[in-house]
Amino acid sequence: DTEVTQTPKHLVMGMTNKKSLKCEQHMGHRAMYWYKQKAKKPPELMFVYSYEKLSINESVPSRFSPECPNSSLLNLHLHALQPEDSALYLCASSQDTRDSYNEQFFGPGTRLTVL
Amino acid sequence: AQSVTQPDIHITVSEGASLELRCNYSYGATPYLFWYVQSPGQGLQLLLKYFSGDTLVQGIKGFEAEFKRSQSSFNLRKPSVHWSDAAEYFCAVGGGDYKLSFGAGTTVTVRA
Repeated sequence: DTEVTQTPKHLVMGMTNKKSLKCEQHMGHRAMYWYKQKAKKPPELMFVYSYEKLSINESVPSRFSPECPNSSLLNLHLHALQPEDSALYLCASSQDTRDSYNEQFFGPGTRLTVL
Repeated sequence: AQSVTQPDIHITVSEGASLELRCNYSYGATPYLFWYVQSPGQGLQLLLKYFSGDTLVQGIKGFEAEFKRSQSSFNLRKPSVHWSDAAEYFCAVGGGDYKLSFGAGTTVTVRA
């Protein structure tokens, strides 16, 4: 299985809501990533988990809260978001952050709209 | 610091014609280079990658890319495009750690 899955596909939320994005992989990868992508732009790295520990936070606002319950799952908890947070949120995984090849496999993304 | 430049923001090509997308990278050591494709509203799919060895790399969907160290380039080519090749294409460079630096992307439009 060489697939990264993400749920939900689409999410619409108000600025006072709390919601979560989910990501799952069964490739035995030990590194998982969250990216944010605006239309017609490249993905921007948000967080990196390595061996279920948060290793990189690219100065992301605290209204985004990542969680890695186990080596296959990655969540992104959302609270008090702003309209400018509307974007495609991509999850990715790779063998290891220390792997010289660091080939990242991407999920299909969650399209988030904040009203 | 590593970086990628994709000089062409948008390319329009006729179905059946050849396609070449340009990518220039900046990296101090041996780069790990990738081309990803993204269809509208979808995630990124890896087309091909270069780590070492043969500088002409074959990928999926009939794509190939050539690594030229002297020109710091990793251009993507396809001899004959299909309407389904219309998408956004991203070149990326990795340096052996977690960080993947993407170019700004090139939008490919295929006309009938």
